[in-house]
Order: sequence, then structure tokens, then C-alpha cells
Amino acid sequence: SAVISQKPSRDICQRGTSLTIQCQVDSQVTMMFWYRQQPGQSLTLIATANQGSEATYESGFVIDKFPISRPNLTFSTLTVSNMSPEDSSIYLCSGLDGTDTKLFFGSGTQLSVL
Amino acid sequence: DAKTTQPPSMDCAEGRAANLPCNHSTISGNEYVYWYRQIHSQGPQYIIHGLKNNETNEMASLIITEDRKSSTLILPHATLRDTAVYYCIVRVGGLLRGGSNYKLTFGKGTLLTVNP
Repeated sequence: SAVISQKPSRDICQRGTSLTIQCQVDSQVTMMFWYRQQPGQSLTLIATANQGSEATYESGFVIDKFPISRPNLTFSTLTVSNMSPEDSSIYLCSGLDGTDTKLFFGSGTQLSVL
Repeated sequence: DAKTTQPPSMDCAEGRAANLPCNHSTISGNEYVYWYRQIHSQGPQYIIHGLKNNETNEMASLIITEDRKSSTLILPHATLRDTAVYYCIVRVGGLLRGGSNYKLTFGKGTLLTVNP
């Protein structure tokens, strides 16, 4: 199955700054997604990254806070903007495999905001 | 999508079978049962999925009751590396593409600890 490389793997950031997380897949995938996993919690879908167009955001997530790009079928970025300590989470990129039946995930970005 | 209920934690001895239960009593006819797991500090990993027949792959077996209201994930010979949170997810359709069918809603899962 396809492999997702996500970077950075972790970062410590100051309040009010922004961080861009990159996700690279080793093969073309039709759909890519971004999830958040807050400490001790399960995964929450942030948005679907659409190739060549604006991302589709889930309830509670907005483009100004989490701008997403997907310039091609193998790459996507998520930016966490104007960070606050409440944004401290693991952010995960995922893709839909070629059979359209299962998701595969990157190893995540552990973000701590001071 | 139907709600699932899993025990918060389970223990298993290394080398023994791990049987993880999942209740999904409100499941409808076109909803599939998916299992994922998340090893600490990693992203979730797909394990198996099924509609009504029992399924087996190189990782695990999935046993779905005849009324489809519950299922069991079986790891036949658990190892220490199987220690993880296991998520049981029920969703409409086997294909994740199209409309909102791509969504997977993760619950809290079961923390399986495999002991030496």
C-alpha cells in the first residue's frame, strides 16, 4: 500500500505563530484528508484536501485557521495559523488507497504551542 | 453511521489469541464494520473490514454475528507489538469514495495491552 511521509514529526511553537505541515504520498491518491488528535482523544476529521480547489472543512474548522493546499495528487499541506496552546495536538494526514476501501495514515505531527 | 461500543481496555498474554468485541446494535443493512488500530506515536493502521461474512487476512480475523449487531476482531497470536488502541467503526458502504462516504468517524476504541 502507499506510504505517506509527513513532516515535521514534531515541533514546539510560540503562541501567535503559524506552522505548515507537509504530507507527501509515494503514489497518486484520489482523496487526502487531515485529522487532528487532541491529547488523550480520538481522531477528528478537519477537512478533505481537494486537488486544485479549496478544501472541504468539517463543522468547527475554518479555512482562516487551517488553510490547506493540494497542488497535485501526491502532496498536501496543512497550516495551523495564529496558534494558541489549545492547538497543541497531533495532526495526521491520510489518503484513500487505490481500492477506495481503506485509509492509510502518516505518522503524524506532534505540535506543542507554548 | 451506527454507533459502536467497545470496552475501554483489555489485556492479553503474549502468544494467546486476542478477542476484541464491538457492539453495533443499530447497524443497518448497508453499513460495513471496519477495524483500525493505532500504535503509540503512530498514525492509525487499517486492519480489516466486512459486511456480514467473516473475513480473514494476514493480520486478523473478523467475526460478525448473524444479526450483525456485534463483531469480534481476533488476533490469533498476539505479540507485544500488537499493543495499541483498536477502533471499531461502522459506516455506510464499502467504497469510501463519493459524496460523504469517505468519512470515517473514530470513537475512543479499546486499548489492548499484550503482556509478556
